[in-house]
Parts: sequence; structure tokens; C-alpha cells
Amino acid sequence: GQQVMQIPQYQHVQEGEDFTTYCNSSTTLSNIQWYKQRPGGHPVFLIQLVKSGEVKKQKRLTFQFGEAKKNSSLHITATQTTDVGTYFCARLTGTASKLTFGTGTRLQVTL
Amino acid sequence: DVKVTQSSRYLVKRTGEKVFLECVQDMDHENMFWYRQDPGLGLRLIYFSYDVKMKEKGDIPEGYSVSREKKERFSLILESASTNQTSMYLCASSRRGNTEAFFGQGTRLTVV
Repeated sequence: GQQVMQIPQYQHVQEGEDFTTYCNSSTTLSNIQWYKQRPGGHPVFLIQLVKSGEVKKQKRLTFQFGEAKKNSSLHITATQTTDVGTYFCARLTGTASKLTFGTGTRLQVTL
Repeated sequence: DVKVTQSSRYLVKRTGEKVFLECVQDMDHENMFWYRQDPGLGLRLIYFSYDVKMKEKGDIPEGYSVSREKKERFSLILESASTNQTSMYLCASSRRGNTEAFFGQGTRLTVV
């Protein structure tokens, strides 16, 4: 099976700068989920997108699903040190909901 | 509070040993997953189970097998551990349908 690709693999920003990670698939996605993994921790669910062109916000986080449902993005406005971690997108496939993850983007935020 | 529990946080095994990683969830979820996490490779699905005794191969099943005899428990078995199976192993569970997955704390396995 083909993983969903994420870019960049790693990004280092100064606190207060914005950050965006992109998730790309060669096939149409029925839905996309986003997870955050803090250093030393386990992935924790953030949000799910299912509709073409959908945009959802959680405080400083904005999630978008592409019109063609082949890509998605997560944008963080004015990063804080608490945003440090690895962000994963994931897709559900099949009637039994098999969950496959992207390669992840590791975010480092410094003061 | 939902809970997925993995039997060990750290494990060191010798090459050739048979290794069992256990995962238990208390949420009555139909789906359970085993992933391995390696730097730069993200979370790769090893096996997936969608019901008791039902399983499906993930992206990297070679060298692994699984067992799901009870709904709450999903075991990952390394038939003959090798050094390239040194990794972080994460178990997860979810309800059937478009729902979020809940993860255990992970087992860091070192094969020497």
C-alpha cells in the first residue's frame, strides 16, 4: 500500500512564526484525519475532514481538505513552544476503517 | 477515560527469539491496529484487526503475525526477532466507521 506523503519532513521555526504541513495522495481520499505526537508521547487525534474543500479551525490551527480530495494541509498561526511535536495525517479506507498514516512532519519551535 | 494499554514500555530481546507484544483496550472497539514507528518513515501499519479472529495485512507484515482471540486484546508476534525489527511499536484501537483512533504508550523494542 502507498503511504500518504507529507512535506516538509522537518521544520524549525521561531516562536510566533506560522507553520504549514502538507499531506499529498496520488489517489482520492474519502477522508483525512490529523494527529499530533508530542516528543516521547503517542499520537493524539486532532480532527477529521470528509468534504471536498472543507476548512475547520481549532484556535490557532486551521485544517483544509483539497477540492479534489487528494491533499490536505494543517496551518498553525503564531506558533508557540507547546506546538512542538510531529504532525501526522492519516486516511481511512475500506468498510472496516483501516487507518494508514502519512510520513509525518516534525515541528521544532524555539524562543 | 479511554485506555489502550501495552504490556511493556521497553523490551530487549535476542536475535531469533519469539517475541509477544500485547495490547488491551477497554473501549469495546471493533478495530485494533499495530504500527511501527521509525525516524523519517512515519507510522507504518503492520496488521489490522476489524473483529475477533479477523485480521488484515498492513503495509509491512513480513516477519510478524497477530492474534485476536478476544475483542479487547490484540497481540503482535515476532516469530524470530531480527535486529531490523528494533523499533517503537504502537497499538491503537477505534470503533468501526470514520472515527478517531486511540493509541497506547508504545513499546520500544531492541533486538540485540
